[in-house]
Amino acid sequence: LAKTTQPISMDSYEGQEVNITCSHNNIATNDYITWYQQFPSQGPRFIIQGYKTKVTNEVASLFIPADRKSSTLSLPRVSLSDTAVYYCLAAGAGAGSYQLTFGKGTKLSVIP
Amino acid sequence: DTEVTQTPKHLVMGMTNKKSLKCEQHMGHRAMYWYKQKAKKPPELMFVYSYEKLSINESVPSRFSPECPNSSLLNLHLHALQPEDSALYLCASSRQGAYNEQFFGPGTRLTVL
Repeated sequence: LAKTTQPISMDSYEGQEVNITCSHNNIATNDYITWYQQFPSQGPRFIIQGYKTKVTNEVASLFIPADRKSSTLSLPRVSLSDTAVYYCLAAGAGAGSYQLTFGKGTKLSVIP
Repeated sequence: DTEVTQTPKHLVMGMTNKKSLKCEQHMGHRAMYWYKQKAKKPPELMFVYSYEKLSINESVPSRFSPECPNSSLLNLHLHALQPEDSALYLCASSRQGAYNEQFFGPGTRLTVL
């Protein structure tokens, strides 16, 4: 099973770009990198998913190098409301198994 | 409707009680999940239902019993729980399987006395 490793915490000032890196050295060929955001006492919320290269949506970008051993979630111009825990996981499925192990999460604190 | 609902929001039960958690989605998703989340920890996968059939049971103790009555509903029956089972129980759904975006409910905060 692909294990993901990410920083425990990060601080950023409002308006800055934040990059959170996730390491997944033994990612399986079929796994997709997926990021979720979670606020206290709420369920996680999907942010972005990718397989390789770069994916961008209205809230974030995801950079995955060719070897796929790591990925970087980029949040442009963060605001106080982006203070949350961000989880990286390598999502996939094999014969009779699902790979849905969340990383330990990165607690992002945005400072005014 | 892109919402997953869970009831109850909070539940307190004794170790000899039997209770059930309920989850509902009306997005036409065919995969549904139960996760357990302890404080300051990531969600841990417990069960996966795919097309109303139990696909994955992540070695969860038998005091947790899942049920999927139809494609929109997911239950988790609880019996003879231990205090260490106190946690936030999250339900999620996705269009099909593990590769699809999961939509999570707000969770049920369970306290076992």
